Amino acid sequence: DAKTTQPPSMDCAEGRAANLPCNHSTISGNEYVYWYRQIHSQGPQYIIHGLKNNETNEMASLIITEDRKSSTLILPHATLRDTAVYYCIVRASSNNNAGNMLTFGGGTRLMVKP
Amino acid sequence: NAGVTQTPKFRILKIGQSMTLQCTQDMNHNYMYWYRQDPGMGLKLIYYSVGAGITDKGEVPNGYNVSRSTTEDFPLRLELAAPSQTSVYFCASSYPGGGNQPQHFGDGTRLSIL
Repeated sequence: DAKTTQPPSMDCAEGRAANLPCNHSTISGNEYVYWYRQIHSQGPQYIIHGLKNNETNEMASLIITEDRKSSTLILPHATLRDTAVYYCIVRASSNNNAGNMLTFGGGTRLMVKP
Repeated sequence: NAGVTQTPKFRILKIGQSMTLQCTQDMNHNYMYWYRQDPGMGLKLIYYSVGAGITDKGEVPNGYNVSRSTTEDFPLRLELAAPSQTSVYFCASSYPGGGNQPQHFGDGTRLSIL
C-alpha cells in the first residue's frame, strides 16, 4: 500500500470548516483513499473513502486531486467532539483480499477549540 | 445495532497466564480482524478471517491463536502472556470486497502483562 504524509497537528475553531490534507504521491491506480479517526480511548471510526471522484456523506467530504496524489478531508462545521487523531490510509482494491490490512501511520491530531 | 463489541475492556495478566479476548459483531459481516496498537503507534494486524472456519495470519501472529466457529464471533487467545503483549487490542469486521469495504472497529481491550 502507498505511504501517506499528514501534518502532525492542526487547530480549528468550533463551527468552522476543518480541512485536513494528505499526500499520497505514490498511490496506484487501484488504491482507495480512506479516512478514519480515533477519539481518545476509542476504536478507529470509519469516516469516508474514495477512488477518483469526490465523495460526501453525513460526516465529511473527501476531495481527491485529479492526479490522485493528494486529498483533503473536510469537516464542514467542526465541533468539540471532532477533536481526534485523523488517519489517511491508501488501500488496494483487490477484491476479497481480507489480508489487505489497514496501515495506520501517524495521523493528524485535530484540536477543535471553542 | 451494537456493531462490534469487545470484552473485557480492561485486563491485567501475570506473565505466563492465558486469556481469551472476545469479539462479536451483529452486522453479518463475513470478514473479521484482530489488530494491536502499541502506545503512540499505528495498528498492526494479528489475524483475520474471511468466514466461519477460515482464519489466516496477519503481520504479527506470534503468541496468539484465533478461531471462527460462527459468523458473529472471533475470539483471540493468548496462551502464555508476555510483557511484549501489553497493548490495546482492536477487533474489526467488514463485508467482502477487500479494499473497497470499510472496516468497522470495536472500542478495544486494554491489556497489561505484569
